[in-house]
Amino acid sequence: DAKTTQPNSMESNEEEPVHLPCNHSTISGTDYIHWYRQLPSQGPEYVIHGLTSNVNNRMASLAIAEDRKSSTLILHRATLRDAAVYYCILGLLGAGGTSYGKLTFGQGTILTVHP
Amino acid sequence: GAVVSQHPSWVICKSGTSVKIECRSLDFQATTMFWYRQFPKQSLMLMATSNEGSKATYEQGVEKDKFLINHASLTLSTLTVTSAHPEDSSFYICSAGRDRGFGYTFGSGTRLTVV
Repeated sequence: DAKTTQPNSMESNEEEPVHLPCNHSTISGTDYIHWYRQLPSQGPEYVIHGLTSNVNNRMASLAIAEDRKSSTLILHRATLRDAAVYYCILGLLGAGGTSYGKLTFGQGTILTVHP
Repeated sequence: GAVVSQHPSWVICKSGTSVKIECRSLDFQATTMFWYRQFPKQSLMLMATSNEGSKATYEQGVEKDKFLINHASLTLSTLTVTSAHPEDSSFYICSAGRDRGFGYTFGSGTRLTVV
């Protein structure tokens, strides 16, 4: 499985933008880039995913490098509720191309948001 | 949105007994579900892929006779921890994929404590 590399931790102040980097230099052409976050004692929560183009949704933006070897999750205005462990994961399309295969989690980035 | 319900949220059992954890997709059908285990301060570790109507696929090192997985319908997968021991105490999380437009949805997790 292609692996991802993320910083162990990052800090931000409330109301400021946060850029969470992820390196995936061995990404293949069929790997989607997924981001999930996890609060303590909860299951992970889907944040965003993409293949080649930058993606935006109500939670965040995903900026994907042109060579796809890295990506950045952007939280435009951090809140205290955004404090979590953020996971960048590569996922293949599953059989039939309609869903994804298994996701293998790395260690993620612990995001601390200061008031 | 896609909702995955996991039950129970926590359970305490005696050593040597078996525990069943349920994972239901509430508003979509899931031919594939995934089971993860997470120890304190560690990342999620994929245990197995649950396939509706067929045998589960276990990751290397996961005992299939100890962690029984049944995916009898398109909305329900169960994980049974048989002959539980204290070292099986962990946070168990399931997930299901709706389709590639939505990524994966995770259950809220089950905290298993074996005494």
